[in-house]
Amino acid sequence: EVQLVESGGGVVRPGGSLRLSCAASGFTFDDYGMSWVRQAPGKGLEWVSGINWNGDSTVYGDSVKGRFTISRDNAKNSLYLQMNSLRAEDTALYHCARCSTTSCYSALDYWGQGTLVTVSS
Amino acid sequence: QSALTQPPSASGSPGQSVTISCTGTSSDVGGYNYVSWYQQHPGKAPKLMIYEVSKRPSGVPDRFSGSKSGNTASLTVSGLQAEDEADYYCSSYAGSNNVFGTGTKVTVL
Repeated sequence: EVQLVESGGGVVRPGGSLRLSCAASGFTFDDYGMSWVRQAPGKGLEWVSGINWNGDSTVYGDSVKGRFTISRDNAKNSLYLQMNSLRAEDTALYHCARCSTTSCYSALDYWGQGTLVTVSS
Repeated sequence: QSALTQPPSASGSPGQSVTISCTGTSSDVGGYNYVSWYQQHPGKAPKLMIYEVSKRPSGVPDRFSGSKSGNTASLTVSGLQAEDEADYYCSSYAGSNNVFGTGTKVTVL
């Protein structure tokens, strides 16, 4: 059974940093691209970032480009999101999701339950 | 990149059909056959319902179908059931990244 479990969320002040993690199990991790998707309270889904199977290709949404960094450790079956220069508008539930192929151009076929990030002074 | 445009709400009685539109541009929906649809119940993670415009993952009922014409994709739910009441989001590859739709709340009357 595919499982994606996010961790690392919490309350942080504007301008601060946070590192999210996603532990994957139930599939061959390095066969798939991975993504982060966020959802602000009461709002819709927003694609944040994606990484291909071996980590040598990464892409970002315009709202986080230059502030967030996605990475993966295939030996640990883990996905990460380093978030710097956080803003109030980054407050959201952050979901880890598996891409259906080695890159993330197609679909997101499995999702984690998310970890909540709150940016507030 | 701008979010794809979906109607805020749609509704139908049990057994009826409902169709949700998802309008983008030639740089996303119209340019690639990589449109997907997700169902989200309150407090739950999204679930993939349709990928690559019209393909259904294993386990998704054939009441769910997808199509595309030009810059607009559509999701049709036939034979509406109470459990279909949820939020639905489209998504498309946009050349270098991906973009989601604004979301549609489907109500079963």
